[in-house]
Amino acid sequence: QSVLTQPPSVSGAPGQRVTISCTGSSSNIGAGYDVHWYQHLPGTAPKLLIYGNSNRPSGVPDRFSGSKSGTSASLAITGLQAEDEADYYCQSYDSRLSGRVFGGGTKLTVL
Amino acid sequence: QVQLQESGPGLVKPSETLSLTCAVSGYSISSGYYWGWIRQPPGRGLEWIGSIYHSGSTYYNPSLKSRVTISVDTSKNQFSLKLSSVTAADTAVYYCAREGVGATTTWFDPWGQGTLVTVSS
Repeated sequence: QSVLTQPPSVSGAPGQRVTISCTGSSSNIGAGYDVHWYQHLPGTAPKLLIYGNSNRPSGVPDRFSGSKSGTSASLAITGLQAEDEADYYCQSYDSRLSGRVFGGGTKLTVL
Repeated sequence: QVQLQESGPGLVKPSETLSLTCAVSGYSISSGYYWGWIRQPPGRGLEWIGSIYHSGSTYYNPSLKSRVTISVDTSKNQFSLKLSSVTAADTAVYYCAREGVGATTTWFDPWGQGTLVTVSS
């Protein structure tokens, strides 16, 4: 059971907007620790999409955005494209576990 | 451009020690950053194994701490993972990554391509 909870799956049609939630607690997101997001295509290395809650690394399209509020964070993808079909993970730090923690992952299906 | 590459045996026997190395190019480990190991068992999500600071300080996942050792060899610009007393549950794709440092946490970027380690007799 992951410390950070994500929905197992989300889906959307091309061009639509989808959001992926990442729910934590008072020992991680709620304690003020930043949240980061990764995109993972099977057989490839995970790719950093968002760092520090809402910052995009160079080269990541502005269709991807992140936000954080209270004990939760969200990844939003607008203008959904077929190439966005992948697994998405949130990541933060947990003070009770004294370590980096990942969400369980969310599979995005583009219909 | 920083690049990381994992290497090591793809098959390890139960109860033995899994050993992997991550070779870093394009950046000198001794210059800074944390360096981490993450794994993904088949059909499951990502799990942080542990991290090492360039100075040698280590940080381990509490659930694996008793079996994990991470070390750094600055002369070879690489860092290593040892996981002892492995079982089938340790079968996974193992990734190494550099950790960017933020105000409150670190993030993993870039990542190596990953290497599959199977635990089986």
